[in-house]
Amino acid sequence: DAGVIQSPRHEVTEMGQEVTLRCKPISGHNSLFWYRQTMMRGLELLIYFNNNVPIDDSGMPEDRFSAKMPNASFSTLKIQPSEPRDSAVYFCASTPGDTEAFFGQGTRLTVV
Amino acid sequence: AQSVTQLGSHVSVSEGALVLLRCNYSSSVPPYLFWYVQYPNQGLQLLLKYTSAATLVKGINGFEAEFKKSETSFHLTKPSAHMSDAAEYFCAVSEWGKLIFGQGTELSVKP
Repeated sequence: DAGVIQSPRHEVTEMGQEVTLRCKPISGHNSLFWYRQTMMRGLELLIYFNNNVPIDDSGMPEDRFSAKMPNASFSTLKIQPSEPRDSAVYFCASTPGDTEAFFGQGTRLTVV
Repeated sequence: AQSVTQLGSHVSVSEGALVLLRCNYSSSVPPYLFWYVQYPNQGLQLLLKYTSAATLVKGINGFEAEFKKSETSFHLTKPSAHMSDAAEYFCAVSEWGKLIFGQGTELSVKP
């Protein structure tokens, strides 16, 4: 298996633009997590899905952020409109159950 | 709700010295606990995990951790640091499928 695949690896966008981050989890994994990593706040759990259903989105910072998982092999995290304070590395991770999570390489987002 | 506290955001050791990275957790149920390592510009990779079997857990690269329920701790150790161990280390707790990370500890290894 190729592991968790995130795209793009780097994204630079202007403030106010819509940004969509993509994730393909490992086949057979039934849970998917989106994290945001910054120097100031560390690794924050934004949202997690189980069997494609959002279970806990309490970490989503505000209504500008939304996440979907239309099927077991794909998830998106969307920011609309983007702001400079959204600049961070966004990680997607998947797990086959209540065990270790496998992380993607991350998307480095810069909003200018 | 579960949480993780890592004591010390930066730890510096000499090559060959003992590595000790501290982690305390809170959880309302018996937890699953993990240590991850992150090298620059990379994602996180699993070092070791505790899933209610043996309390002393051995991981990759010579690391191990001991689960102490009475102290709610899961400290990470390695007897002899190597230059390649320089990275950021994260402790995490999983409860009902939700995986929460500590703030991370950056380990520096001096020659």
